[in-house]
Amino acid sequence: AQTVTQSQPEMSVQEAETVTLSCTYDTSENNYYLFWYKQPPSRQMILVIRQEAYKQQNATENRFSVNFQKAAKSFSLKISDSQLGDTAMYFCAFMNTMKDMRFGAGTRLTVKP
Amino acid sequence: DAGVIQSPRHEVTEMGQEVTLRCKPISGHDYLFWYRQTMMRGLELLIYFNNNVPIDDSGMPEDRFSAKMPNASFSTLKIQPSEPRDSAVYFCASSLGGAFEQFFGPGTRLTVL
Repeated sequence: AQTVTQSQPEMSVQEAETVTLSCTYDTSENNYYLFWYKQPPSRQMILVIRQEAYKQQNATENRFSVNFQKAAKSFSLKISDSQLGDTAMYFCAFMNTMKDMRFGAGTRLTVKP
Repeated sequence: DAGVIQSPRHEVTEMGQEVTLRCKPISGHDYLFWYRQTMMRGLELLIYFNNNVPIDDSGMPEDRFSAKMPNASFSTLKIQPSEPRDSAVYFCASSLGGAFEQFFGPGTRLTVL
């Protein structure tokens, strides 16, 4: 079974600074997909970024980028120029080809003014 | 375009009562997922459908839970009888085939007294 581990329950960062959230996963599959979702206090789950395992190039989306290390089974999220609106829970998620998605326990990020 | 719609947003009921949660996926999406989120267990996949057919219900906690998808635009998750430990936020999500990301609804916060 696939597992997703987020080892940082809570993190904080100063506004405009950069922060990196960690995620590791365990799988025996070769084809899969990785995601970072954001859950603000509104409770809405919002997709931040996704990565296909077959792609070597790291995904980027504006201020958000990932460091995907397939051999190490690591998928970290970097947020540059942090903004107050980035304050939220961040979930790392793994999805296999059977659409079975597993989420990590989440990292609570607080951006301080 | 409207996103995934869930109703009700909040539900408070008493132990032993039947509870029905409703979901309308994004038009054209062929996958529909039901998740449960609790502090103790995080986000768990309960069941998912492809083209209205249940594919994997291994996450459904017990026989008190059932889900249906009578057509492409509507799904229900029913709990009968409800118990206090069922209190959680229930999310519905939909996606468009392949490896596309899942779009989440706003969730239903269920409280069973």
